[in-house]
Amino acid sequence: EVQLLQSGGGLVQPGGSLRLSCAASGFTFSSSALNWVRQAPGKGLEWVSSISGSGDSTYYIDSVKGRFTISRDNSKNTFFLQMHSLRDEDTAVYYCAKAGGGAYASTWYPDCWGQGTLVTVSS
Amino acid sequence: QIVVTQEPSFSVSPGGTVTLTCGLNFGSASTSYPTWYQQTPGQAPRTLIYNTNIRSSGVPDRFSGSILGNKAALTITGAQADDESVYYCVLYIDRGVWVFGGGTKLTVL
Repeated sequence: EVQLLQSGGGLVQPGGSLRLSCAASGFTFSSSALNWVRQAPGKGLEWVSSISGSGDSTYYIDSVKGRFTISRDNSKNTFFLQMHSLRDEDTAVYYCAKAGGGAYASTWYPDCWGQGTLVTVSS
Repeated sequence: QIVVTQEPSFSVSPGGTVTLTCGLNFGSASTSYPTWYQQTPGQAPRTLIYNTNIRSSGVPDRFSGSILGNKAALTITGAQADDESVYYCVLYIDRGVWVFGGGTKLTVL
């Protein structure tokens, strides 16, 4: 059974930094692309970032480029979202998600989801 | 700017059939690997359909995906009370980027 256990959310001031973690089990981690998706309070889902199984390919929504970095540690079955220069509009529940199978980014839809972690950016 | 459109809300009677759609302001959703999710309040989304019409593991066959014109569609046949949820689609745009629709709040009454 695929399991994704998230940690690292919390309250941070505007301009601050935070790192989210997602520990995975139940699948071949190093072969799987991974996603981060967020949901602002009372709003819809927003895809944020993806990373390939090897970590060589990464993709971001325009609004976080240059501020957020997705990464993974295949030796620990864990991946991360490092967030810098946080803004009020980054306040959301952040979900990690295993991507659908396949070698191409067009197959990396968010599939199995973590429980979500709340990031609140506020002074 | 890429916008993925969904009906804001829909209602269906118990036992009835409803079709939700997912469109793209530039291009056709049919070539964008549409995926559908169900989300209830306070819960993580659940994947229902991927790559237009492939049902995710454990999803009942009363959920089906298709293409209607240039839109992706999710049809629920024989709606049940616990289908009352928000349904999201996501489309693959290009260069690794996915865009979600705003979601459709489905009421079963």
